[in-house]
Amino acid sequence: AQSVTQLDSQVPVFEEAPVELRCNYSSSVSVYLFWYVQYPNQGLQLLLKYLSGSTLVKGINGFEAEFNKSQTSFHLRKPSVHISDTAEYFCAVSEGRGNKLVFGAGTILRVKS
Amino acid sequence: EPEVTQTPSHQVTQMGQEVILRCVPISNHLYFYWYRQILGQKVEFLVSFYNNEISEKSEIFDDQFSVERPDGSNFTLKIRSTKLEDSAMYFCASRDAGYGYTFGSGTRLTVV
Repeated sequence: AQSVTQLDSQVPVFEEAPVELRCNYSSSVSVYLFWYVQYPNQGLQLLLKYLSGSTLVKGINGFEAEFNKSQTSFHLRKPSVHISDTAEYFCAVSEGRGNKLVFGAGTILRVKS
Repeated sequence: EPEVTQTPSHQVTQMGQEVILRCVPISNHLYFYWYRQILGQKVEFLVSFYNNEISEKSEIFDDQFSVERPDGSNFTLKIRSTKLEDSAMYFCASRDAGYGYTFGSGTRLTVV
């Protein structure tokens, strides 16, 4: 079974600084990878997904992620964060008979002014 | 943009009572899921549903849980005889053929 590791439980960063949230997954023949954002007391919103093709995936709100098969990683990046990006970010992989999503433990991004 | 709708947004129930959480998936989606998130913890898979049957379920999804798609639009999760540890946020999701998963806003279940 797939597993997803988010290496940082919390990432503090100053406004307008760049940020990288790390995600590693266990190896598989092929993977579909996702990043979701959860604002306080809200549901999960899709930021971006990788299914195939270009390894650099652009998403909403200026986020992008790079699929690296050799390192089994799918790190999320943003060149300049805003206060409004403060939220919890979840990396996920699709697997299994029902193509369920398996989530990492989440990374709380705290943007400070 | 199409949404997954969940009701109620918050439910408080007595331990031992049955609860039914309701979801209306996106109309042209064929794959449906329930997840839960205990406060402060990760999002955990419960069950996936396709073609009117369960396609996969987790260890969490024991005999006290059941799912149903009673009328072609609603997708329900029933928890029989709730326990304190069932308190969590429950998310419904539906998926299209292109792996577009859409989540609802969740139902916060509190068992007292």
